[in-house]
Amino acid sequence: DTAVSQTPKYLVTQMGNDKSIKCEQNLGHDTMYWYKQDSKKFLKIMFSYNNKELIINETVPNRFSPKSPDKAHLNLHINSLELGDSAVYFCASSQRGGYTFGSGTRLTVV
Amino acid sequence: GENVEQHPSTLSVQEGDSAVIKCTYSDSASNYFPWYKQELGKRPQLIIDIRSNVGEKKDQRIAVTLNKTAKHFSLHITETQPEDSAVYFCAAGTNFGNEKLTFGTGTRLTIIP
Repeated sequence: DTAVSQTPKYLVTQMGNDKSIKCEQNLGHDTMYWYKQDSKKFLKIMFSYNNKELIINETVPNRFSPKSPDKAHLNLHINSLELGDSAVYFCASSQRGGYTFGSGTRLTVV
Repeated sequence: GENVEQHPSTLSVQEGDSAVIKCTYSDSASNYFPWYKQELGKRPQLIIDIRSNVGEKKDQRIAVTLNKTAKHFSLHITETQPEDSAVYFCAAGTNFGNEKLTFGTGTRLTIIP
């Protein structure tokens, strides 16, 4: 029973399209995150939600919009995709400590 | 904001030898320091963590040490095995991990059989 699940696992799309990535956790954690991992493996936080409320919004283009319908779900919608958006996007959740990551979504913009 | 530096970026170690990865952080308010292992194509997984009220923690072949004064912490893997080959990330966070974690740039560890 997967603790943090993301869909889709792979996403190939053309420049200018709009796409969404979904994340769900069944750990009962209060806090969820989106991280971006670039080609050099660097992990950088994008957003953090605590119990459905946005608490961290790093310097991310406003083409990226997170949504948390409830504390178990955190989705990421990306408008007008650009080549530089190609990366692996990880969802994670935490409660008093270490994160549990989802399996990642590899986004390729062509 | 927090800045975490990690060294070395790559490390090759003979099987059975020890490996050490070092990180420094800048924000003295950071009080939570986890380490993650990421195998090729997989998610980062927590392998060990340490809080600022502890100087050392050990779990079988892995140990982490923390020097709050110098703002650095290290991961030690003893008796390395081929399955230890992966990318390792250190991270630093405040509020015992309830706020964001800032990650280091990663160390690619290769165990040579």
